[in-house]
Amino acid sequence: GQQLNQSPQSMFIQEGEDVSMNCTSSSIFNTWLWYKQDPGEGPVLLIALYKAGELTSNGRLTAQFGITRKDSFLNISASIPSDVGIYFCAGQRIPNSGYALNFGKGTSLLVTP
Amino acid sequence: DVKVTQSSRYLVKRTGEKVFLECVQDMDHENMFWYRQDPGLGLRLIYFSYDVKMKEKGDIPEGYSVSREKKERFSLILESASTNQTSMYLCASSWGASNEKLFFGSGTQLSVL
Repeated sequence: GQQLNQSPQSMFIQEGEDVSMNCTSSSIFNTWLWYKQDPGEGPVLLIALYKAGELTSNGRLTAQFGITRKDSFLNISASIPSDVGIYFCAGQRIPNSGYALNFGKGTSLLVTP
Repeated sequence: DVKVTQSSRYLVKRTGEKVFLECVQDMDHENMFWYRQDPGLGLRLIYFSYDVKMKEKGDIPEGYSVSREKKERFSLILESASTNQTSMYLCASSWGASNEKLFFGSGTQLSVL
Protein backbone atom coordinates (compact mmCIF):
# COMPACT_ATOMS: atom_id res chain seq x y z
CA GLY A 1 0.00 0.00 0.00
CA GLN A 2 0.94 3.64 -0.34
CA GLN A 3 3.31 4.88 2.37
CA LEU A 4 1.99 7.61 4.64
CA ASN A 5 4.56 9.60 6.61
CA GLN A 6 3.18 10.63 9.98
CA SER A 7 4.97 12.92 12.41
CA PRO A 8 5.93 13.29 15.11
CA GLN A 9 6.34 9.66 16.16
CA SER A 10 5.64 10.54 19.78
CA MET A 11 4.81 13.54 21.93
CA PHE A 12 5.05 14.08 25.67
CA ILE A 13 3.17 17.20 26.79
CA GLN A 14 1.60 18.83 29.80
CA GLU A 15 -2.13 19.09 30.32
CA GLY A 16 -3.49 22.27 28.77
CA GLU A 17 -1.00 22.42 25.91
CA ASP A 18 -2.04 22.37 22.27
CA VAL A 19 -0.90 19.51 20.03
CA SER A 20 -0.22 19.36 16.29
CA MET A 21 0.54 16.35 14.15
CA ASN A 22 0.60 15.78 10.42
CA CYS A 23 0.61 13.20 7.70
CA THR A 24 2.06 13.39 4.19
CA SER A 25 2.02 11.21 1.12
CA SER A 26 3.72 11.23 -2.27
CA SER A 27 0.37 10.37 -3.87
CA ILE A 28 -3.01 12.06 -3.92
CA PHE A 29 -5.78 10.83 -1.65
CA ASN A 30 -9.49 11.53 -2.06
CA THR A 31 -10.25 11.01 1.62
CA TRP A 32 -8.19 11.69 4.72
CA LEU A 33 -9.08 10.25 8.10
CA TRP A 34 -7.88 10.48 11.67
CA TYR A 35 -8.31 7.61 14.13
CA LYS A 36 -7.46 7.39 17.82
CA GLN A 37 -6.49 4.23 19.69
CA ASP A 38 -6.97 4.27 23.44
CA PRO A 39 -4.69 1.96 25.43
CA GLY A 40 -5.94 -1.64 25.18
CA GLU A 41 -8.57 -0.88 22.55
CA GLY A 42 -8.94 -0.80 18.78
CA PRO A 43 -8.77 2.50 16.86
CA VAL A 44 -11.88 4.67 16.61
CA LEU A 45 -12.62 7.17 13.84
CA LEU A 46 -12.32 10.80 15.01
CA ILE A 47 -12.64 12.88 11.86
CA ALA A 48 -13.16 12.22 8.14
CA LEU A 49 -12.22 14.76 5.44
CA TYR A 50 -13.52 14.50 1.88
CA LYS A 51 -12.51 17.70 0.08
CA ALA A 52 -9.23 19.51 -0.50
CA GLY A 53 -8.95 22.51 1.82
CA GLU A 54 -11.68 21.20 4.12
CA LEU A 55 -11.36 22.12 7.79
CA THR A 56 -13.43 20.04 10.22
CA SER A 57 -13.77 20.15 14.00
CA ASN A 58 -14.85 17.58 16.54
CA GLY A 59 -14.84 19.22 19.97
CA ARG A 60 -11.26 20.22 20.76
CA LEU A 61 -9.98 18.44 17.67
CA THR A 62 -9.55 20.17 14.32
CA ALA A 63 -8.33 18.47 11.16
CA GLN A 64 -7.55 19.82 7.71
CA PHE A 65 -7.38 18.22 4.27
CA GLY A 66 -4.37 19.77 2.53
CA ILE A 67 -4.86 21.76 -0.67
CA THR A 68 -2.48 19.50 -2.59
CA ARG A 69 -4.47 16.42 -1.41
CA LYS A 70 -1.16 14.92 -0.31
CA ASP A 71 -1.28 15.91 3.35
CA SER A 72 -3.48 16.37 6.39
CA PHE A 73 -3.11 17.93 9.83
CA LEU A 74 -4.68 17.26 13.22
CA ASN A 75 -4.68 19.76 16.06
CA ILE A 76 -5.82 19.15 19.63
CA SER A 77 -6.41 22.22 21.75
CA ALA A 78 -6.10 22.39 25.53
CA SER A 79 -5.07 18.75 25.96
CA ILE A 80 -6.41 16.67 28.85
CA PRO A 81 -5.20 13.34 30.28
CA SER A 82 -7.82 11.32 28.38
CA ASP A 83 -6.25 12.49 25.09
CA VAL A 84 -3.53 9.88 25.75
CA GLY A 85 -3.33 7.29 23.01
CA ILE A 86 -2.04 6.64 19.52
CA TYR A 87 -3.35 8.81 16.69
CA PHE A 88 -3.34 7.37 13.19
CA CYS A 89 -3.86 9.15 9.92
CA ALA A 90 -5.31 7.15 7.06
CA GLY A 91 -5.89 7.85 3.40
CA GLN A 92 -8.15 6.36 0.82
CA ARG A 93 -7.77 6.43 -2.96
CA ILE A 94 -11.03 5.51 -4.60
CA PRO A 95 -11.46 3.63 -6.84
CA ASN A 96 -8.00 2.41 -7.76
CA SER A 97 -6.89 1.24 -4.34
CA GLY A 98 -9.50 -1.46 -3.91
CA TYR A 99 -11.08 0.57 -1.13
CA ALA A 100 -8.74 -0.52 1.66
CA LEU A 101 -7.28 2.24 3.84
CA ASN A 102 -3.58 3.04 4.07
CA PHE A 103 -2.55 3.94 7.62
CA GLY A 104 0.33 6.04 8.91
CA LYS A 105 2.62 4.64 11.60
CA GLY A 106 0.93 6.61 14.35
CA THR A 107 1.72 9.41 16.78
CA SER A 108 1.87 8.31 20.40
CA LEU A 109 0.61 11.06 22.73
CA LEU A 110 1.33 11.19 26.45
CA VAL A 111 -0.24 13.92 28.59
CA THR A 112 0.91 14.64 32.13
CA PRO A 113 -1.48 16.26 34.60
CA ASP B 1 -23.53 0.37 18.47
CA VAL B 2 -21.53 -1.82 16.17
CA LYS B 3 -19.69 -4.52 17.96
CA VAL B 4 -16.66 -6.31 16.57
CA THR B 5 -15.64 -9.16 18.82
CA GLN B 6 -12.32 -10.95 18.69
CA SER B 7 -12.36 -14.34 20.33
CA SER B 8 -9.21 -13.99 22.45
CA ARG B 9 -7.53 -11.02 24.06
CA TYR B 10 -4.25 -12.84 24.66
CA LEU B 11 -2.94 -15.98 23.00
CA VAL B 12 0.33 -17.87 23.48
CA LYS B 13 1.32 -20.48 20.90
CA ARG B 14 4.39 -22.47 20.00
CA THR B 15 6.38 -22.25 16.79
CA GLY B 16 4.87 -24.47 14.10
CA GLU B 17 1.37 -24.59 15.57
CA LYS B 18 -1.66 -23.79 13.44
CA VAL B 19 -3.39 -20.76 14.91
CA PHE B 20 -6.94 -19.52 14.35
CA LEU B 21 -7.95 -15.96 15.21
CA GLU B 22 -11.68 -15.42 15.08
CA CYS B 23 -13.62 -12.21 14.52
CA VAL B 24 -17.38 -11.67 14.59
CA GLN B 25 -19.35 -8.48 13.82
CA ASP B 26 -23.00 -7.92 14.60
CA MET B 27 -24.01 -5.16 12.16
CA ASP B 28 -24.35 -7.05 8.90
CA HIS B 29 -21.29 -5.31 7.41
CA GLU B 30 -20.16 -6.50 4.00
CA ASN B 31 -16.48 -5.71 4.48
CA MET B 32 -14.08 -7.21 6.98
CA PHE B 33 -10.35 -6.70 7.48
CA TRP B 34 -7.38 -8.12 9.37
CA TYR B 35 -4.51 -5.82 10.38
CA ARG B 36 -1.44 -6.41 12.47
CA GLN B 37 0.00 -3.68 14.67
CA ASP B 38 3.66 -3.53 15.63
CA PRO B 39 5.46 -0.73 17.51
CA GLY B 40 6.90 1.78 15.07
CA LEU B 41 5.23 0.13 12.08
CA GLY B 42 1.61 1.17 12.60
CA LEU B 43 -1.27 -0.83 11.14
CA ARG B 44 -0.50 -3.12 8.22
CA LEU B 45 -3.23 -4.81 6.22
CA ILE B 46 -2.99 -8.60 5.99
CA TYR B 47 -6.20 -9.65 4.21
CA PHE B 48 -9.65 -8.28 3.58
CA SER B 49 -12.99 -9.52 2.32
CA TYR B 50 -15.89 -7.76 0.61
CA ASP B 51 -18.31 -10.64 0.69
CA VAL B 52 -18.82 -14.18 1.85
CA LYS B 53 -16.23 -16.54 0.39
CA MET B 54 -14.32 -13.62 -1.14
CA LYS B 55 -10.86 -12.58 -0.02
CA GLU B 56 -8.19 -10.16 -1.17
CA LYS B 57 -4.53 -9.96 -0.18
CA GLY B 58 -3.39 -6.90 1.67
CA ASP B 59 0.16 -5.62 2.04
CA ILE B 60 1.59 -8.48 4.10
CA PRO B 61 -0.31 -11.72 3.37
CA GLU B 62 2.68 -14.08 3.52
CA GLY B 63 2.30 -16.75 6.19
CA TYR B 64 -1.43 -16.07 6.63
CA SER B 65 -4.70 -17.23 5.14
CA VAL B 66 -8.31 -16.28 5.82
CA SER B 67 -11.76 -17.78 5.75
CA ARG B 68 -15.12 -16.12 5.40
CA GLU B 69 -17.86 -18.74 5.31
CA LYS B 70 -20.51 -16.52 6.90
CA LYS B 71 -21.04 -12.78 6.53
CA GLU B 72 -20.53 -12.02 10.20
CA ARG B 73 -17.36 -14.05 10.74
CA PHE B 74 -13.84 -13.55 9.37
CA SER B 75 -11.07 -15.88 10.51
CA LEU B 76 -7.33 -15.35 10.24
CA ILE B 77 -5.24 -18.50 10.03
CA LEU B 78 -1.53 -18.87 10.68
CA GLU B 79 -0.73 -22.20 9.01
CA SER B 80 2.56 -22.67 10.88
CA ALA B 81 3.17 -19.96 13.45
CA SER B 82 6.60 -18.37 13.61
CA THR B 83 8.16 -16.03 16.17
CA ASN B 84 8.03 -13.10 13.73
CA GLN B 85 4.25 -13.37 13.79
CA THR B 86 4.20 -12.29 17.43
CA SER B 87 2.07 -9.16 17.22
CA MET B 88 -1.22 -7.43 18.02
CA TYR B 89 -3.90 -8.49 15.53
CA LEU B 90 -6.84 -6.20 14.89
CA CYS B 91 -10.02 -7.13 13.08
CA ALA B 92 -12.26 -4.44 11.55
CA SER B 93 -15.49 -4.22 9.61
CA SER B 94 -17.26 -1.59 7.53
CA TRP B 95 -20.40 -1.12 5.51
CA GLY B 96 -20.69 -0.61 1.79
CA ALA B 97 -18.31 0.79 -0.79
CA SER B 98 -17.02 3.61 1.41
CA ASN B 99 -14.65 2.03 3.84
CA GLU B 100 -13.55 5.13 5.69
CA LYS B 101 -15.48 4.27 8.83
CA LEU B 102 -13.85 1.12 10.10
CA PHE B 103 -15.08 -0.45 13.32
CA PHE B 104 -12.28 -2.25 15.11
CA GLY B 105 -12.24 -5.03 17.65
CA SER B 106 -10.13 -4.69 20.80
CA GLY B 107 -7.36 -6.82 19.36
CA THR B 108 -5.65 -10.15 20.05
CA GLN B 109 -2.10 -10.05 21.38
CA LEU B 110 -0.45 -13.17 19.98
CA SER B 111 2.84 -14.42 21.32
CA VAL B 112 4.62 -17.20 19.43
CA LEU B 113 7.33 -18.89 21.47
